[in-house]
Amino acid sequence: QITLKESGPTLVKPTQTLTLTCTFSDFSLTTSGMGVGWIRQPPGKALEWLALIYWDDDKRYSPSLKSRLSISKDTSKNQVVLTVTNMDPVDTATYYCAHYVSDGYRDAFDIWGQGTMVTVSS
Amino acid sequence: DIQMTQSPSSLSASVGDRVTITCQASQDISNYLNWYQQKPGKVPKLLIYDASNLETGVPSRFSGSGSGTDFTFTIGSLQPEDVATYYCQQYDNVQCTFGQGTKLEIK
Repeated sequence: QITLKESGPTLVKPTQTLTLTCTFSDFSLTTSGMGVGWIRQPPGKALEWLALIYWDDDKRYSPSLKSRLSISKDTSKNQVVLTVTNMDPVDTATYYCAHYVSDGYRDAFDIWGQGTMVTVSS
Repeated sequence: DIQMTQSPSSLSASVGDRVTITCQASQDISNYLNWYQQKPGKVPKLLIYDASNLETGVPSRFSGSGSGTDFTFTIGSLQPEDVATYYCQQYDNVQCTFGQGTKLEIK
């Protein structure tokens, strides 16, 4: 069964760059129709989509955060990395990675990681 | 940017009630609309994809409809385990967008 797990720092200082890693199993990001996305959720607030990378290395970013985001994949390690520059306290949130299926049958985040809480504070 | 307006933001209903949540897109998104359930303290779960298709394993009391800009999510007969926040999510070739969520409680 597909699983994903996020890892990275739990605390970052304002202006620092956040680097999060999503390590997944039971699918390959070389397979057509596969993708991995990042979504975050501030405490008590709604889900916010951040970025998505497809099997063919096509990348999509939230327009409002595009200048601060970078997503990449390492297919040999089954990992996807998200970097967020210039972190601010408003970026405090649980960050999820999720498996994205785009196979002509579904286009959706069908499997989610457990999430990792990141706090931005000096 | 495509904006998603979800309503209501919160809802209280009785067990057995029919519950409806709506989601409106700021422009035509065809049927590229998914619905997720997030129970308190848990990870979001995909319920409905492509506006009206039930994800495998999801109870049939959940359903979705709509196309273009107006979409509806329905729970046919509310159960205690349906207490959760529900989100719509659109996707196009450029971006994904989640609605603001609807928090559903039992009366």
